[in-house]
Amino acid sequence: DGGITQSPKYLFRKEGQNVTLSCEQNLNHDAMYWYRQDPGQGLRLIYYSQIVNDFQKGDIAEGYSVSREKKESFPLTVTSAQKNPTAFYLCASSIATHNEQFFGPGTRLTVL
Amino acid sequence: AQSVTQLDSHVSVSEGTPVLLRCNYSSSYSPSLFWYVQHPNKGLQLLLKYTSAATLVKGINGFEAEFKKSETSFHLTKPSAHMSDAAEYFCVVSAYNAGNMLTFGGGTRLMVKP
Repeated sequence: DGGITQSPKYLFRKEGQNVTLSCEQNLNHDAMYWYRQDPGQGLRLIYYSQIVNDFQKGDIAEGYSVSREKKESFPLTVTSAQKNPTAFYLCASSIATHNEQFFGPGTRLTVL
Repeated sequence: AQSVTQLDSHVSVSEGTPVLLRCNYSSSYSPSLFWYVQHPNKGLQLLLKYTSAATLVKGINGFEAEFKKSETSFHLTKPSAHMSDAAEYFCVVSAYNAGNMLTFGGGTRLMVKP
């Protein structure tokens, strides 16, 4: 089956720790994205990548980092510099940046 | 520049009655428009998309939307609501000419009463 997987589904972190969220796709899409969703709110773009070894900041990139070493993978690291990291994180991919995006099931991060 | 406004943050309907979720957009170029649905603690699923073909677009689960350029609207409708339709719905705009990516509306939470 083609699709996007995110792991883990739930993640707990202590304050001051970095944590990495996984996102993998087997749709052969060039573009990948990370969004943050807070309760009762829409999606905010953290980072996106249009091609391997290249990525750009979105609207709320501070305190986050990404890499795109393989077409299939776009991991997101939430660093200790992110002041309020508790949120639902969604990964998506698309053929190109103007096309519809396909979403993973999300990772819920809670900082203890 | 482009933007999306979902006019209602919450909509409540009774099961079996029509659903109307309103969306207005702003775009300097010919837009593509999408509606996504999100059930609690899940990712977003594409309901339907408009890409300059027919102005009335049919999607999954009985939903449809009509692109009205003169009104800059893309409202989502369904003739008869089911309990399983209760979810968050997002209207999204994209403009290829502008090189822009997707811009999401703030979402509308649909509640369906038995």
